[in-house]
Amino acid sequence: DTGVSQDPRHKITKRGQNVTFRCDPISEHNRLYWYRQTLGQGPEFLTYFQNEAQLEKSRLLSDRFSAERPKGSFSTLEIQRTEQGDSAMYLCASSLKSAKEKLFFGSGTQLSVL
Amino acid sequence: AQRVTQPEKLLSVFKGAPVELKCNYSYSGSPELFWYVQYSRQRLQLLLRHISRESIKGFTADLNKGETSFHLKKPFAQEEDSAMYYCALSGYSNYQLIWGAGTKLIIKP
Repeated sequence: DTGVSQDPRHKITKRGQNVTFRCDPISEHNRLYWYRQTLGQGPEFLTYFQNEAQLEKSRLLSDRFSAERPKGSFSTLEIQRTEQGDSAMYLCASSLKSAKEKLFFGSGTQLSVL
Repeated sequence: AQRVTQPEKLLSVFKGAPVELKCNYSYSGSPELFWYVQYSRQRLQLLLRHISRESIKGFTADLNKGETSFHLKKPFAQEEDSAMYYCALSGYSNYQLIWGAGTKLIIKP
């Protein structure tokens, strides 16, 4: 499968713990996006990278959240001091051009904070 | 403010019947609208974009700026159309899409 891959598929953690998710985009895509989706809602934008530069970050994103894309390839999303409200599906997407073009999504990481 | 509203959480129709999934948006400029679909146990994927003005899997959607709508239509539903459908808006930003809450479409045999 040469699509967007995310790891892990599921993560269960206790409140207060730190978690890190990984996303490997389609290799030729230089644009990478993180979205969060809760039950019954559509995806909510978190942040965007063009190559290794983080160009946009949602104002809704708590400072407990940080994302990196160190070499312009894979990306990591870290949540520090997790809270129960962080429980959600975290989706990664990549694209060759802007978000106005086609986004390719990964299968997501389902986070459950107990 | 930019907003996308999908008024129906669930839509159930019989096979062969017409389907219309509603999408309304709020945006003061010239938006670009998209429909994404997620089939059972599959990833979210693009179905169609309004600027392409194309028909994909028999689905079409027309942007109506007067009614600020982008409804998705198909004249004859098929069982394989059962899925979750999301309407999304690209407005001020080139980088983020604003999403509706989605409509679950069930096609009954």
